[in-house]
Amino acid sequence: KQEVTQIPAALSVPEGENLVLNCSFTDSAIYNLQWFRQDPGKGLTSLLLIQSSQREQTSGRLNASLDKSSGRSTLYIAASQPGDSATYLCAVLGNGGGADGLTFGKGTHLIIQP
Amino acid sequence: SAVISQKPSRDICQRGTSLTIQCQVDSQVTMMFWYRQQPGQSLTLIATANQGSEATYESGFVIDKFPISRPNLTFSTLTVSNMSPEDSSIYLCSVGTSHEKLFFGSGTQLSVL
Repeated sequence: KQEVTQIPAALSVPEGENLVLNCSFTDSAIYNLQWFRQDPGKGLTSLLLIQSSQREQTSGRLNASLDKSSGRSTLYIAASQPGDSATYLCAVLGNGGGADGLTFGKGTHLIIQP
Repeated sequence: SAVISQKPSRDICQRGTSLTIQCQVDSQVTMMFWYRQQPGQSLTLIATANQGSEATYESGFVIDKFPISRPNLTFSTLTVSNMSPEDSSIYLCSVGTSHEKLFFGSGTQLSVL
């Protein structure tokens, strides 16, 4: 059964710093991997989606990489801002397709200090 | 992208009662899922809501506890039955038109006293 682990569980850094969030998964037979943002009282917002054949995806100050063979992904946030404060979730979709839904990590709770 | 309306956004319920959560989508979607997020835990898939037929439940979740309806391609409900404090969680509806990308509702924060 797929398991997704995110490190660190929580992170607090001053504004302006570059930071890296880590995600690992146990079964490398994935269809894709997504990074989500979750704000308190709100649903999930998809940030980046990486197909299993891709190595990375970029959107603005965010860059996500994928090393499927080693079961790892990282989310790089450049020049962090207080508005980036949220919980970041990593989720993988297995090769069984959408019928299995996504398997999520527990998330990294990020606080950017002004 | 799909716009999802999930109601209620939060509720406080008494032990032994039931709560029905609604998920309304502004367009027809092929897939609808229900997730639970217990405090400090990952999102866990409860079931896939199948249009016109019984939902497909994940291990550890049963229809008697979490009955699900999906009468059409834009609407689904999840009922949390005979609630106990252990059911206190965020419940999220998720929809998609392909296996590649899912969209999530804003969630229902449930507290059971």
